[in-house]
Amino acid sequence: DTEVTQTPKHLVMGMTNKKSLKCEQHMGHRAMYWYKQKAKKPPELMFVYSYEKLSINESVPSRFSPECPNSSLLNLHLHALQPEDSALYLCASSPGTSGRDTQYFGPGTRLTVL
Amino acid sequence: RKEVEQDPGPFNVPEGATVAFNCTYSNSASQSFFWYRQDCRKEPKLLMSVYSSGNEDGRFTAQLNRASQYISLLIRDSKLSDSATYLCVVNMPKSNTGKLIFGQGTTLQVKP
Repeated sequence: DTEVTQTPKHLVMGMTNKKSLKCEQHMGHRAMYWYKQKAKKPPELMFVYSYEKLSINESVPSRFSPECPNSSLLNLHLHALQPEDSALYLCASSPGTSGRDTQYFGPGTRLTVL
Repeated sequence: RKEVEQDPGPFNVPEGATVAFNCTYSNSASQSFFWYRQDCRKEPKLLMSVYSSGNEDGRFTAQLNRASQYISLLIRDSKLSDSATYLCVVNMPKSNTGKLIFGQGTTLQVKP
């Protein structure tokens, strides 16, 4: 089963709120990713976790804070976001980080920042 | 030059038509190639990995031309349900970081 789950499906938050996005996979994958996708654009990589350690941060502002509590879970903590941060946030996982490892995406969280 | 380039379309075709999408990539060291399909407001889903010898899955055929740094996707007998955006994806060469390079996507609209 190639399933990555994400909660919540939709989130509306104010600029002063703190919220978290959650991602889970039970495929035994050792790499997990956060992407941001704006309308009519491809996904943009934000963070990569490999074996529960942060391996890539694509110069993401500190108002986005990732966390990997264990090999199946990935969180994205949000604080003091801006309206331009409104987007679809996608989680993905893959067996490893080699070039041949296929990434499987979750359904995403559609975030609106007011 | 963009690292992965696709014609954004839209491609508007009638049901039953054959349609081909092309994608070029700039780094000759790239090793892995994928086509993902993304429906409106949904996540990207893997359609096919692309192998050197080319591969076929039902109505879908993917080809790789390393000399020209060119990948193609052919869809035969188009169905209404094939309407989506098709993303050409290439791995970041010479790295085991998991980083992928996405094309801008090609939009297909199949009409009755």
